[in-house]
Amino acid sequence: DVKVTQSSRYLVKRTGEKVFLECVQDMDHENMFWYRQDPGLGLRLIYFSYDVKMKEKGDIPEGYSVSREKKERFSLILESTSTNQTSMYLCASRMGQQTGELFFGEGSRLTVL
Amino acid sequence: AQKITQTQPGMFVQEKEAVTLDCTYDTSDPSYGLFWYKQPSSGEMIFLIYQGSYDQQNATEGRYSLNFQKARKSANLVISASQLGDSAMYFCAMRAPGGFKTIFGAGTRLFVKA
Repeated sequence: DVKVTQSSRYLVKRTGEKVFLECVQDMDHENMFWYRQDPGLGLRLIYFSYDVKMKEKGDIPEGYSVSREKKERFSLILESTSTNQTSMYLCASRMGQQTGELFFGEGSRLTVL
Repeated sequence: AQKITQTQPGMFVQEKEAVTLDCTYDTSDPSYGLFWYKQPSSGEMIFLIYQGSYDQQNATEGRYSLNFQKARKSANLVISASQLGDSAMYFCAMRAPGGFKTIFGAGTRLFVKA
């Protein structure tokens, strides 16, 4: 069974703290993505990676960075959290550029106080 | 720029009845793909159905069908014989082939009543 695993389901942090969200997929997928989900806004793309060590900004990259040192692992980093980063973060992967659907992890709900 | 619009924030349907969730899209690309995903309360997004812009027939997957009207730029999801387990958020999404990004609508929350 294919699997995308996110390291933390729930996190509570204080403003200014660093957060590291990890995502691992076991499907040998080329592409990996980080979205944030907010009520009324749907999913918005933060960053994506089309190959190891490659990364591209999505639609809302400000305040975030990413790392993809290995094909199966894509990490989202919030260097100094702010309250407006309170959100649900979803990791997804896809086999390749020309192929279909995204496979998602269960999400990481971050609350910044 | 590409855009997905879902105008129904919430919908109610009686168990065993059919329901249509609306989705309109905007793109200047002649080639694109349309997706529907389901998100139960557990949080994990589940792929339901896909329609390519050049597909001649509407996509179907079990109780799900996609009512694709290209000229109107709409891609409505039809769920037949609703079940209590269909209660969830539903997202319409679009991607241009050759592109990496998939963009999503705001979602529709469906409530199935017993």
